[in-house]
Amino acid sequence: TQLLEQSPQFLSIQEGENLTVYCNSSSVFSSLQWYRQEPGEGPVLLVTVVTGGEVKKLKRLTFQFGDARKDSSLHITAAQPGDTGLYLCAGVGYNNDMRFGAGTRLTVKP
Amino acid sequence: GAVVSQHPSWVICKSGTSVKIECRSLDFQATTMFWYRQFPKQSLMLMATSNEGSKATYEQGVEKDKFLINHASLTLSTLTVTSAHPEDSSFYICSAQRQLNQPQHFGDGTRLSIL
Repeated sequence: TQLLEQSPQFLSIQEGENLTVYCNSSSVFSSLQWYRQEPGEGPVLLVTVVTGGEVKKLKRLTFQFGDARKDSSLHITAAQPGDTGLYLCAGVGYNNDMRFGAGTRLTVKP
Repeated sequence: GAVVSQHPSWVICKSGTSVKIECRSLDFQATTMFWYRQFPKQSLMLMATSNEGSKATYEQGVEKDKFLINHASLTLSTLTVTSAHPEDSSFYICSAQRQLNQPQHFGDGTRLSIL
């Protein structure tokens, strides 16, 4: 059973388009993290959101943590081919355990 | 920075061989290290959590006698896949955490292929 439901699993868009990836759960998390992973490498942390309702921006990426601390979204504006990769959300429980979503494989075509 | 080194990055070996993977935190001390397994096109699945000097805590369905974890120091944890078989072929990733509830820092993974 996947603790975190991440959608969509696959996304293929043209350069310049916007996109949103969703991460939902029935569990409450102490924090939620978003990672990006390239093939053959470990995941790289993009952001950690801690406070319910928090919004963080990282250049063209906007991350939001739901008020109830159960869900999160990642929005990319004007996607570029360099944004291609596997995006993973991970919820951190209050007992320090971390569970990953299934991942969203993004392809941005030039 | 928080650099985690994982070695080897790629292993190919025959069925029945035992394989040891090392995970080192290079510039910080890690009270906790985590081991994950990732199948192609899938997400990371936590295998076990290890704290320095104590026995690892394994996730349900992970055989502790199959996947031996040793966390002998605050900068080194090892995962040994004993008597590996083709179904053990996977991408194994470790992460290290300075203290409870702080971010995990990931290694670059080890691709294990059992022939």
